[in-house]
Amino acid sequence: KAGVTQTPRYLIKTRGQQVTLSCSPISGHRSVSWYQQTPGQGLQFLFEYFSETQRNKGNFPGRFSGRQFSNSRSEMNVSTLELGDSALYLCASSPEVGTTGSPLHFGNGTRLTVT
Amino acid sequence: AQSVTQLGSHVSVSEGALVLLRCNYSSSVPPYLFWYVQYPNQGLQLLLKYTTGATLVKGINGFEAEFKKSETSFHLTKPSAHMSDAAEYFCAVSSGAGSYQLTFGKGTKLSVIP
Repeated sequence: KAGVTQTPRYLIKTRGQQVTLSCSPISGHRSVSWYQQTPGQGLQFLFEYFSETQRNKGNFPGRFSGRQFSNSRSEMNVSTLELGDSALYLCASSPEVGTTGSPLHFGNGTRLTVT
Repeated sequence: AQSVTQLGSHVSVSEGALVLLRCNYSSSVPPYLFWYVQYPNQGLQLLLKYTTGATLVKGINGFEAEFKKSETSFHLTKPSAHMSDAAEYFCAVSSGAGSYQLTFGKGTKLSVIP
């Protein structure tokens, strides 16, 4: 079974631009979450989707948004990029809503550099 | 609110020595606890998890962790370090209450000295 696939792996953008990152979950997984990883703040939760509905959102500004499609694939968008948005963005999937403590399965991430 | 504290941002051990990575958590509800490992330029890989039941949890690659509710700890151990264990390790907690949201510790980078 293929793992979580994130595209692209690397991205370089300029301040003020916007960016869209893509995530394909493991086949059969319906829950997708996004995390931002930076050296200073560590791993921080962005949002969580299940069956095309955002179930939970972390403490990030409105410039960060996401969506999930009917095939469970997910995208996240960051508008008006700032230097501080440079980070590794990780997508993770799980089979269902987290009532059983089932673990998240992570992709290899998209490394975003904002110049 | 949940939080995770990992003691020691860097830990060095000799090859063959005991690995001990410390994790303390706070949670208002019975937690689900996880250890993940991250190799350079890769995502996170699950090592082990505690949900309910036996408090000593065995994971992949010879790692294990013990859930101690009275100490709010979930320390990760491995009897004998291998060079391939060099990586960054993250402890995480989830309330599991209808959400997969994980709260992570800051991570511990493990170096293995030959």
